[in-house]
Amino acid sequence: ELKVEQNPLFLSMQEGKNYTIYCNYSTTSDRLYWYRQDPGKSLESLFVLLSNGAVKQEGRLMASLDTKARLSTLHITAAVHDLSATYFCAVHARGTSGSRLTFGEGTQLTVNP
Amino acid sequence: GAGVSQSPRYKVAKRGQDVALRCDPISGHVSLFWYQQALGQGPEFLTYFQNEAQLDKSGLPSDRFFAERPEGSVSTLKIQRTQQEDSAVYLCASSLRRWGTGSLSGGYTFGSGTRLTVV
Repeated sequence: ELKVEQNPLFLSMQEGKNYTIYCNYSTTSDRLYWYRQDPGKSLESLFVLLSNGAVKQEGRLMASLDTKARLSTLHITAAVHDLSATYFCAVHARGTSGSRLTFGEGTQLTVNP
Repeated sequence: GAGVSQSPRYKVAKRGQDVALRCDPISGHVSLFWYQQALGQGPEFLTYFQNEAQLDKSGLPSDRFFAERPEGSVSTLKIQRTQQEDSAVYLCASSLRRWGTGSLSGGYTFGSGTRLTVV
C-alpha cells in the first residue's frame, strides 16, 4: 500500500524567511503533484513532477523530485502572508490500475508579518 | 462549464438519512473521481469513472456508498443511512485524459466540494 508522508504538518514562519516542506512516499511513482488548499476552498494545482530530477518554479515556490529517494520538496523563498494555506503532495503509484492519487496529510503553513 | 461544479455546497443530514451529492465535470472530460476529505486530513480516494464505466470503486468505505455516472458526464455520489463518521468534505475531480493507457498525465481539476455534516 502506498504511503505518503509530509513534514512538517504545521509550519509557522515569518515573512521573508525561507523554508522547505518534505514529501516522502513508499513505492515507485510515475508522477507527483503539489496542491494548495485555502480554508473552505478546493484544491488548486501548483505543480506536477514527472521524472527524476524534475524541478519546477512558480513565483516564490519551487518543487523538486528525487525518485530514487522517493522524496519531493516544496521550497518557499522569502515567504509572504499570501502563501498561508495548506499544502498537499499527492502521488500516483506506477502500475496502479485506474488513477487514484494518494495524498499526504498536508502541511498547514502560516506566514506571520 | 469552465470548472467542476458540485452541489449542494453544504448539506446537513440527520443520522440515518440518505443523501445525494452531485458533480458536474468539465465538459468533455473523460475521467471523473470522488475523494473524501475529513477535517484536517488529506483527501482519500473513493471511486473513479472513465466515461460511464466505474473502473475502480475500491475506496468506497462501505456498501452504503454508491456512485454513478450513467451518461458519462454528471456523476452522483449517494450515501445511504448516513452516520456521523460520514461527515467530511466530498471532492469531485475531472480530467481530460484516460488513465492507465500510457498517455502523459493531464491535470486534475477539483471542484469546491460538498461539506456533509451528519447530526
